[in-house]
Amino acid sequence: GESVGLHLPTLSVQEGDNSIINCAYSNSASDYFIWYKQESGKGPQFIIDIRSNMDKRQGQRVTVLLNKTVKHLSLQIAATQPGDSAVYFCAESGWGSSNTGKLIFGQGTTLQVKP
Amino acid sequence: NAGVMQNPRHLVRRRGQEARLRCSPMKGHSHVYWYRQLPEEGLKFMVYLQKENIIDESGMPKERFSAEFPKEGPSILRIQQVVRGDSAAYFCASSAETGPLEQYFGPGTRLTVT
Repeated sequence: GESVGLHLPTLSVQEGDNSIINCAYSNSASDYFIWYKQESGKGPQFIIDIRSNMDKRQGQRVTVLLNKTVKHLSLQIAATQPGDSAVYFCAESGWGSSNTGKLIFGQGTTLQVKP
Repeated sequence: NAGVMQNPRHLVRRRGQEARLRCSPMKGHSHVYWYRQLPEEGLKFMVYLQKENIIDESGMPKERFSAEFPKEGPSILRIQQVVRGDSAAYFCASSAETGPLEQYFGPGTRLTVT
């Protein structure tokens, strides 16, 4: 069935280091992927998205890489800051016979930034 | 420039009572999605609505759960005869158009069933 999963439940990094959060997806029909950040007690906050016709997209301090061959998605955060500490979710969506834009979320990776 | 609004933020209900969760989408958005998040888990899709229409309810439990998005007013997620397993955070998201697009999430309603 459809699923989006993350390889590691917790990632701990030093402040100033780069962080890489990984995600595997199983639905090859998905063509839209999003990374969300969720802080404790809050709703998911959009970070960056990418469509399947791209393999890389950059934002402010963040980069998303998409490898459709192995169905892998990653989020890179440059110069990680304490404010980046949160749970990060990848989500997928796609056009298809049942397209409604619903997002399928992974389990989440907790990013802990050590000062 | 208000974002997605949800109320109440916290809701406590006894088993058997009804829970009504409200969601007002962002201004200009007419597409609403509801998701449920159990503790330590990711969000799970429940239902997708446009004004006065349920488009996709494939994630809704077959019984006790219903949703609406009237022509006027917020979207409502209703849970009848709540049970302990309904305790979760319920998030709604809105988007400007249909299809795989960025969805903006509200702060969520945390439902506790005692």
